[in-house]
Amino acid sequence: DGGITQSPKYLFRKEGQNVTLSCEQNLNHDAMYWYRQDPGQGLRLIYYSQIVNDFQKGDIAEGYSVSREKKESFPLTVTSAQKNPTAFYLCASSIDPGTGELFFGEGSRLTVL
Amino acid sequence: GQQLNQSPQSMFIQEGEDVSMNCTSSSIFNTWLWYKQDPGEGPVLLIALYKAGELTSNGRLTAQFGITRKDSFLNISASIPSDVGIYFCAGQLDQAGTALIFGKGTTLSVSS
Repeated sequence: DGGITQSPKYLFRKEGQNVTLSCEQNLNHDAMYWYRQDPGQGLRLIYYSQIVNDFQKGDIAEGYSVSREKKESFPLTVTSAQKNPTAFYLCASSIDPGTGELFFGEGSRLTVL
Repeated sequence: GQQLNQSPQSMFIQEGEDVSMNCTSSSIFNTWLWYKQDPGEGPVLLIALYKAGELTSNGRLTAQFGITRKDSFLNISASIPSDVGIYFCAGQLDQAGTALIFGKGTTLSVSS
């Protein structure tokens, strides 16, 4: 079955540590996205990529980094520079960004201790 | 950045009741979409609207793209317990290459 796989589902980290969240899709979609979700805040765009080896900052990119070396993969690194990293992170992909139709993964919940 | 104003923030209803929620913006959108998120999961697309004035149904769900292109509503008829979740509106600005903008969500609770 085609879909988007995020891992890990739950992650705990100590302050000052970088952590990388994995996102893999086998839908053959060109566009991929990372969103952050906080209670009552909706979904806020961190980074997106419309093609391999290219990505754009979203509204809240500070303290995060991404890479897009392969079409199937779009990992997100939460760096120690992110002041409030505890959140639910969602990865999504789209076959056509112009439609707005996104397929989401199941999310990764990051907790900083 | 751009914002979508989604209301109400939360709703508590009885099974069988109809539900209505909406999104408004000061900007013009060329696409409106509605997503549902179950607890601990990623959102799933419910309805996509691409034309001003368009009215689209998906089972018990009906959504409309406002004629001014600045708003949209979602109606759920005869609610059931599995309708529980967070409903998000999302819009795509009338500019090439821009990403979706999401509302803050409407949390729906249904009691049986």
